[in-house]
Amino acid sequence: EDKVVQSPLSLVVHEGDTVTLNCSYEVTNFRSLLWYKQEKKAPTFLFMLTSSGIEKKSGRLSSILDKKELFSILNITATQTGDSAVYLCAVPHGSSNTGKLIFGQGTTLQVKP
Amino acid sequence: GAVVSQHPSRVICKSGTSVKIECRSLDFQATTMFWYRQFPKQSLMLMATSNEGSKATYEQGVEKDKFLINHASLTLSTLTVTSAHPEDSSFYICSARDPHRGLGSPLHFGNGTRLTVT
Repeated sequence: EDKVVQSPLSLVVHEGDTVTLNCSYEVTNFRSLLWYKQEKKAPTFLFMLTSSGIEKKSGRLSSILDKKELFSILNITATQTGDSAVYLCAVPHGSSNTGKLIFGQGTTLQVKP
Repeated sequence: GAVVSQHPSRVICKSGTSVKIECRSLDFQATTMFWYRQFPKQSLMLMATSNEGSKATYEQGVEKDKFLINHASLTLSTLTVTSAHPEDSSFYICSARDPHRGLGSPLHFGNGTRLTVT
């Protein structure tokens, strides 16, 4: 059964800290891994990773995939209070390009001023 | 970028009534839209796939007669929760993929509908 596990489940840091969020997965026919940020409403897309070892970067956020060890990390440097959110990791399920994403439980990040 | 709009954002209804939620793709046509549900402190789970011009595909354990899906046009899918009960209270989110960006492109989510059944 396809599975996505995130850790830690929650994290509290202070502004300026750097955080690393983890996502491990088990999925047949792996195609990609996605990171989303969810504040009070629906998830907003951050990154999609398909290749091992290639870092994707957007401002203070970056992410990398290891297809051999079946995990990804999301790094946030110089955290700000606006980074407080639930960060979700997901992988597509199934052999066809459907919209079925298997989500992890999420990591709840709280950044204190 | 691709935008998915969902309405209403919040609804409170009484037990036994039906609630309709609309999902629109605003700047692209979506032959397929996806309905997810998220219970408090849990992750998103796919409920069903809405297909324009044909029947929706439901995930295991999701009652098709309770969650009616209609994909009326290439930009609109609706989810109707029929005879709602308190256990149906949840956050319902639709999503779609811009076909011009390819089947491998990421899903974009609407802002969700928080349903509370009293």
